[in-house]
Amino acid sequence: DGGITQSPKYLFRKEGQNVTLSCEQNLNHDAMYWYRQDPGQGLRLIYYSQIVNDFQKGDIAEGYSVSREKKESFPLTVTSAQKNPTAFYLCASSPQGAFNYEQYFGPGTRLTVT
Amino acid sequence: QQQVKQSPQSLIVQKGGISIINCAYENTAFDYFPWYQQFPGKGPALLIAIRPDVSEKKEGRFTISFNKSAKQFSLHIMDSQPGDSATYFCAASQNDKIIFGKGTRLHILP
Repeated sequence: DGGITQSPKYLFRKEGQNVTLSCEQNLNHDAMYWYRQDPGQGLRLIYYSQIVNDFQKGDIAEGYSVSREKKESFPLTVTSAQKNPTAFYLCASSPQGAFNYEQYFGPGTRLTVT
Repeated sequence: QQQVKQSPQSLIVQKGGISIINCAYENTAFDYFPWYQQFPGKGPALLIAIRPDVSEKKEGRFTISFNKSAKQFSLHIMDSQPGDSATYFCAASQNDKIIFGKGTRLHILP
């Protein structure tokens, strides 16, 4: 089956710890994205990558970091500098370069930091 | 700041009724206007999209109406069913950016 996988589905961490969220796609898409979803806030872009070894900050990149060493993988690290990390995180990919309207989303990771 | 304003925030419709969700945008350079559907605990999925040179697009029970002069577009769900209960996001895209509305939580009463 082609698609995007995110793991784990639920993640719990103590405040002050860094945590890495996994995102893998087998759709052969060039572009990948990370969004944060909070109740009533819609989808806010954290980082995006158009090609391997290149990525750009989105609207709310502070406190997050990413890497794109392989076309299939785009992990997101939530650092201890992120002031309010508890949220639902969504990874997406797009078949025709950055910000094509047709984005394919993974099932999401719900992160809870206490 | 560029925005896509979506309303209402929540909507309750009787089974068989018409659900209508509205969005407004500011940037006339947007070139696609997609709608996404998200079920609880899942990622959003593309439902239907329209270009600004088209006034209406229909796919099954889902229709996008687009008013370019008013910079508004809307999603109509005909014969709404309980399985349509989900959160719907409108969006606007242009080359290097896609902006999502804040979402509408739709509940269809059985």
